[in-house]
Amino acid sequence: DAGVTQSPTHLIKTRGQQVTLRCSPKSGHDTVSWYQQALGQGPQFIFQYYEEEERQRGNFPDRFSGHQFPNYSSELNVNALLLGDSALYLCASSGTGGSFGDGYTFGSGTRLTVV
Amino acid sequence: AQTVTQSQPEMSVQEAETVTLSCTYDTSENNYYLFWYKQPPSRQMILVIRQEAYKQQNATENRFSVNFQKAAKSFSLKISDSQLGDTAMYFCAFAKDQGGSEKLVFGKGTKLTVNP
Repeated sequence: DAGVTQSPTHLIKTRGQQVTLRCSPKSGHDTVSWYQQALGQGPQFIFQYYEEEERQRGNFPDRFSGHQFPNYSSELNVNALLLGDSALYLCASSGTGGSFGDGYTFGSGTRLTVV
Repeated sequence: AQTVTQSQPEMSVQEAETVTLSCTYDTSENNYYLFWYKQPPSRQMILVIRQEAYKQQNATENRFSVNFQKAAKSFSLKISDSQLGDTAMYFCAFAKDQGGSEKLVFGKGTKLTVNP
């Protein structure tokens, strides 16, 4: 039973560039949430996708955008990268519309470094 | 807005001993969930234990148990018979009961080291 898969595992980008991170949810899950975890901090909620729509958004600028595909996989896009965007980006999937019935499953994250 | 505070940045314990990690939270909600997640060096967040606020009984999962004090807004994690594999970052997290779109609000974490 495959869990949450994220790609790539590591990424180095230059300030001002754009980046796309990818997430495949756990089998049977239909909701994907993205979190940003800066070094030494707890994860912060970016947004959540359900039925290919952004359902909820955290306090992140419009440079952060996302997409969910019909197969429930998701992408996180960040434009005009800043040094402060360097972080671990975690994807979490859940089932039955995002309720905690069977909990969230997290991926191992993408480590983004902006230089 | 909800906040979660973990006041112990680092803790250490000897193998086979018991350790308690502290967590407090602030919310005006009555229905919510509380969680403890473990993040080993592999980076994946692993659910350790969860508590529904409406349940008065403290949750337990094998060697892991919580002390949930709703009035005090306190949610501590007790690890019994600590094992080397318990070495990790531990995060306390909160989520409102929104009927299907809950987001997690995390604390800053506690780094736990289990010494042989």
